[in-house]
Amino acid sequence: GQSLEQPSEVTAVEGAIVQINCTYQTSGFYGLSWYQQHDGGAPTFLSYNALDGLEETGRFSSFLSRSDSYGYLLLQELQMKDSASYFCARRGNTDKLIFGTGTRLQVFP
Amino acid sequence: EPEVTQTPSHQVTQMGQEVILRCVPISNHLYFYWYRQILGQKVEFLVSFYNNEISEKSEIFDDQFSVERPDGSNFTLKIRSTKLEDSAMYFCASSSGTGHQPQHFGDGTRLSIL
Repeated sequence: GQSLEQPSEVTAVEGAIVQINCTYQTSGFYGLSWYQQHDGGAPTFLSYNALDGLEETGRFSSFLSRSDSYGYLLLQELQMKDSASYFCARRGNTDKLIFGTGTRLQVFP
Repeated sequence: EPEVTQTPSHQVTQMGQEVILRCVPISNHLYFYWYRQILGQKVEFLVSFYNNEISEKSEIFDDQFSVERPDGSNFTLKIRSTKLEDSAMYFCASSSGTGHQPQHFGDGTRLSIL
């Protein structure tokens, strides 16, 4: 199978750090992407991990452990505008993206 | 920053009618995709397109669906005879390459079937 599982919702306060986890099935796995989607908006690319380890892009970091079939997105110094849905998406041996179930992040003041 | 543009933003159609959703991918991109998202659910892959032919399609992409790149800029998705369950947000995406190259998404077309 190629499904990805994420927590359905996460809440945090401004300035905090939050981690959104993603577990996936290993069959045909090549890499893991993260996308942000505001209500009614387009998925926006955040990061991609093909190898184990941490990728950092400003306040956002993404981690992958291929041996554990697990990744996470770390958001630091949370801002109100970070309230959105976050999707992990796997890329296999074809180009298509298979999206996870999505995590709705709510940031409170 | 270049972006993927989609028209219309909202399409309302009677069941059984044909609908064409239009996309203009980023100009130097070579790989094109359609995805859909039913309200409140995850994004689902429909079809990928490269070098003027379909690379891969999902089981959702049945005989009622077709894609076309009629000229050097547009990429269209046609649904021949729409069903109620086709109501969803349809996203077009493009990328400059495969592997680590990200797919960039348009703002989507909300398709409502009555």
